[in-house]
Amino acid sequence: KAGVTQTPRYLIKTRGQQVTLSCSPISGHRSVSWYQQTPGQGLQFLFEYFSETQRNKGNFPGRFSGRQFSNSRSEMNVSTLELGDSALYLCASSRGTAGGDETQYFGPGTRLLVL
Amino acid sequence: AQSVTQLGNHVSVSEGALVLLRCNYSSSVPPYLFWYVQYPNQGLQLLLKYTSAATLVKGINGFEAEFKKSETSFHLTKPSAHMSDAAEYFCADQTGANNLFFGTGTRLTVIP
Repeated sequence: KAGVTQTPRYLIKTRGQQVTLSCSPISGHRSVSWYQQTPGQGLQFLFEYFSETQRNKGNFPGRFSGRQFSNSRSEMNVSTLELGDSALYLCASSRGTAGGDETQYFGPGTRLLVL
Repeated sequence: AQSVTQLGNHVSVSEGALVLLRCNYSSSVPPYLFWYVQYPNQGLQLLLKYTSAATLVKGINGFEAEFKKSETSFHLTKPSAHMSDAAEYFCADQTGANNLFFGTGTRLTVIP
């Protein structure tokens, strides 16, 4: 079974631009979560989508948004990029039962550099 | 409030020595605890998880962790370190909403 895939793997943008990252979950998984990883703040939860609906959201500004399609693929968008948005963005998929014991499987991440 | 504390940003062990990575949790409800490993330029890989079925949890690559409620701990151990174990390790607590709350991570170095 193919794992979680993320595209692109690397991205360079300039301040003020916007960016869209894509995540394809494991086949059969209906939940996709997004995380930001930076050296200063560590791993932080952005949001989770299930059945095309945002089910949970972390503490990030409105510049960070996402969506999920009917095939469970998800996109994350960051508008008006700031230098501090430089990070590794990880997506994770799971079946979506939302039980606390459910395992999330992570993709390789998209490394975003904002200049 | 949920929090996970990993003691030690960096741990060094000799090849063949015991690996012990510490994790303490603070949760007002029974926790669901996970250990993930991250190799350079890669995503996170699940090592093991605690879901209250058993306090001693065995994972992949010879790792195991013991849940101790009295100590609010979930330390990760491996009897004999291998060079391939060098990576960053994250302990995490998960709410019922697929929201993993991560510790700050511990970088493991294995000395030949």
